[in-house]
Amino acid sequence: AQKVTQAQTEISVVEKEDVTLDCVYETRDTTYYLFWYKQPPSGELVFLIRRNSFDEQNEISGRYSWNFQKSTSSFNFTITASQVVDSAVYFCALPNSGGYQKVTFGTGTKLQVIP
Amino acid sequence: DTEVTQTPKHLVMGMTNKKSLKCEQHMGHRAMYWYKQKAKKPPELMFVYSYEKLSINESVPSRFSPECPNSSLLNLHLHALQPEDSALYLCASSQDGLPGVNYGYTFGSGTRLTVV
Repeated sequence: AQKVTQAQTEISVVEKEDVTLDCVYETRDTTYYLFWYKQPPSGELVFLIRRNSFDEQNEISGRYSWNFQKSTSSFNFTITASQVVDSAVYFCALPNSGGYQKVTFGTGTKLQVIP
Repeated sequence: DTEVTQTPKHLVMGMTNKKSLKCEQHMGHRAMYWYKQKAKKPPELMFVYSYEKLSINESVPSRFSPECPNSSLLNLHLHALQPEDSALYLCASSQDGLPGVNYGYTFGSGTRLTVV
């Protein structure tokens, strides 16, 4: 069975601070994908990044960066110089094996950025 | 067009009412999904349509009835709901890729349903 753990339930930071959201996953698959989604108060889940297990390079997109460590089964997400607009719930997700139509979501981390 | 559009955004219905949620996408995605999300919880999969055929039903009660009239539209018909069915209902779509390739989902902004 697959599992995604986001141990941080809620995090509060002051604007311009850096913050890292943790994601630890379990899978028996040798090939898999991982995703991060952002859910602002409006409700829509917004796709942030997709990473496949073949590619262990870290990725940076503006103020966002992701650290994929296959050896520790972690896929952590860092926001640099946080802004109020970053306040949202962030979900880490792992598509189930044998059919990508099912996805295991983590429980989410609620990030509050205080001005 | 890179959006999934859901209507209505908010819905209040009584336990004896019949209502429908609608979802539309024009990205050519051939898989469409209904998810239910309770407060402070991750989304839970309800139904998956692949090429307009129901491929997954996650043991959802029959008071929820999905329909996929064509490749762009997905409906969720609601009848005789219970107060515990109050939640955010999210529609999503995904594109087909090469075998073993997953592009992720595009989600709509959801319908906030309250059953009274």
